[in-house]
Amino acid sequence: RKEVEQDPGPFNVPEGATVAFNCTYSNSASQSFFWYRQDCRKEPKLLMSVYSSGNEDGRFTAQLNRASQYISLLIRDSKLSDSATYLCVVNYAGNMLTFGGGTRLMVKP
Amino acid sequence: DTGVSQNPRHKITKRGQNVTFRCDPISEHNRLYWYRQTLGQGPEFLTYFQNEAQLEKSRLLSDRFSAERPKGSFSTLEIQRTEQGDSAMYLCASSLDSLYGYTFGSGTRLTVV
Repeated sequence: RKEVEQDPGPFNVPEGATVAFNCTYSNSASQSFFWYRQDCRKEPKLLMSVYSSGNEDGRFTAQLNRASQYISLLIRDSKLSDSATYLCVVNYAGNMLTFGGGTRLMVKP
Repeated sequence: DTGVSQNPRHKITKRGQNVTFRCDPISEHNRLYWYRQTLGQGPEFLTYFQNEAQLEKSRLLSDRFSAERPKGSFSTLEIQRTEQGDSAMYLCASSLDSLYGYTFGSGTRLTVV
């Protein structure tokens, strides 16, 4: 079993739609959580941290459920520019981040 | 300082040759990481430095791979006797503290022919 698991997608949604991704992690000792965005053939870039109380950044909302060991990302009012791969990331060893395989999102006109 | 810098951006090499990549982290970041990413997969951890000390190495890092960070600033990743399976994007990242996420460089894309 992978340490961080994501549905690879692709999720194909029309502009303006709301889309949600989930991610599960295996290590209950995980300490910090992130969503990264990666455009095709580019490096991953930090989208947002995920806090226990849930947090929002504009159209993006992240949630953490420690009891069930899953993390979610909700994107409202999808834009064409949101098309990318979204990587779920967990820090459980204290020193390095563990990445999921990514979920590909394609927003269509 | 404009971020994490990696060189070269692309490298094509023949099987069996040695290659070396360089990473210059953000200057105030004491932590430096190397990851490898293949198509359709997330980045996989290779190794981690805090200052000049190499503190962790993945099982993925075979004895053909070696990394250094001699003065706690830039780092090099060398692959000896390259194999076709080494073809991947090699990503370097740096951070002050992993609790706050990393900043990645643009990566070095290696193709072994």
